[in-house]
Amino acid sequence: DTEVTQTPKHLVMGMTNKKSLKCEQHMGHRAMYWYKQKAKKPPELMFVYSYEKLSINESVPSRFSPECPNSSLLNLHLHALQPEDSALYLCASSRGSGDSYEQYFGPGTRLTVT
Amino acid sequence: KNEVEQSPQNLTAQEGEFITINCSYSVGISALHWLQQHPGGGIVSLFMLSSGKKKHGRLIATINIQEKHSSLHITASHPRDSAVYICAVGISGSRLTFGEGTQLTVNP
Repeated sequence: DTEVTQTPKHLVMGMTNKKSLKCEQHMGHRAMYWYKQKAKKPPELMFVYSYEKLSINESVPSRFSPECPNSSLLNLHLHALQPEDSALYLCASSRGSGDSYEQYFGPGTRLTVT
Repeated sequence: KNEVEQSPQNLTAQEGEFITINCSYSVGISALHWLQQHPGGGIVSLFMLSSGKKKHGRLIATINIQEKHSSLHITASHPRDSAVYICAVGISGSRLTFGEGTQLTVNP
């Protein structure tokens, strides 16, 4: 199984809502990533988990809260988002957390904040 | 100046043509990645290389470490190759630094 799955595919939420994005992989990868991608732009790294511990937070606002309950699962909890947070949120995983490891990306969750 | 520069930004080709996308970077790297993103959004890793050349089907990736330059070639292009191709480099730690991408359109 070389797949990274993400749910939901699409999410529309109001600025006062709380929602969560979910990412799962069963490749035994020990690093997992959240990226944010705006239209016609490359992905921007948000968070990196290595061996279930948060290793990188790219100064992401606290309205985004990551969680790694186990080595296969990565969540992104969303609260009090702004319309400018509307974007494609991509999850990725890799065997290790160095930049020389190939990253496997999920299909993304397209988030719209109204 | 971006640390990773891709050219061209947009490329339109006829089916069957040989295509080259270029990537230049300005610092020492540990590895270079070529990624493909279709309009649906998902990103696929095509190649990861730190030296030489790799081939997979109709795709060939080369890297010249001294010149700080990599190319992605597509032979016998097909409309299904239409996508955004992104070059990304590993500079430090766990982060990849991405180029702005090349939008490729292959017409039948």
